[in-house]
Amino acid sequence: KAGVTQTPRYLIKTRGQQVTLSCSPISGHRSVSWYQQTPGQGLQFLFEYFSETQRNKGNFPGRFSGRQFSNSRSEMNVSTLELGDSALYLCASSLGQLGSEAFFGQGTRLTVV
Amino acid sequence: EDQVTQSPEALRLQEGESSSLNCSYTVSGLRGLFWYRQDPGKGPEFLFTLYSAGEEKEKERLKATLTKKESFLHITAPKPEDSATYLCAVQAGKGAQKLVFGQGTRLTINP
Repeated sequence: KAGVTQTPRYLIKTRGQQVTLSCSPISGHRSVSWYQQTPGQGLQFLFEYFSETQRNKGNFPGRFSGRQFSNSRSEMNVSTLELGDSALYLCASSLGQLGSEAFFGQGTRLTVV
Repeated sequence: EDQVTQSPEALRLQEGESSSLNCSYTVSGLRGLFWYRQDPGKGPEFLFTLYSAGEEKEKERLKATLTKKESFLHITAPKPEDSATYLCAVQAGKGAQKLVFGQGTRLTINP
């Protein structure tokens, strides 16, 4: 059974640019969540999508957005990049019920210069 | 606001030296407590889910337990390959799939 796939694995962008990250969940999983991981703040929840609808959102500015497609694949977009956006962005896939396990991808390492 | 605190921040053990990692939580309506292992540069790897006080789960040298206020990850006779950062997270209330993570415990096992 294939795991969670995130692309690309690494990205280098310039301040002010925008970036789109992609996540393919485990087959049969309808929930995709996104997290930002930094050394100072740890893992922080960005948002969750279930059946193409955003179900929950963390405390991040509107520059961070996402969407989910009918095949459950999800994309995350960050506009007007800032240096502080440099982080490991992780996608998690789950069945979507309360208490169900979330399985993470390998992440996308974003560096903003 | 849901909070998760892990201790210690870092732990160094000799191979075979057993110990425990702590995860204290403050949540409203716990739906599940999760333990993950994360190696450098990789995504977290799922280990256990605990749902109610008194529950225990085991996997190889790891055993996770849960009380109403904290969870412990016991490591018995660890090996160097157990070196990693161990993360604890809670899912609570009606927050759907939102996980609130602790800062992690960085475990190093010396041969």
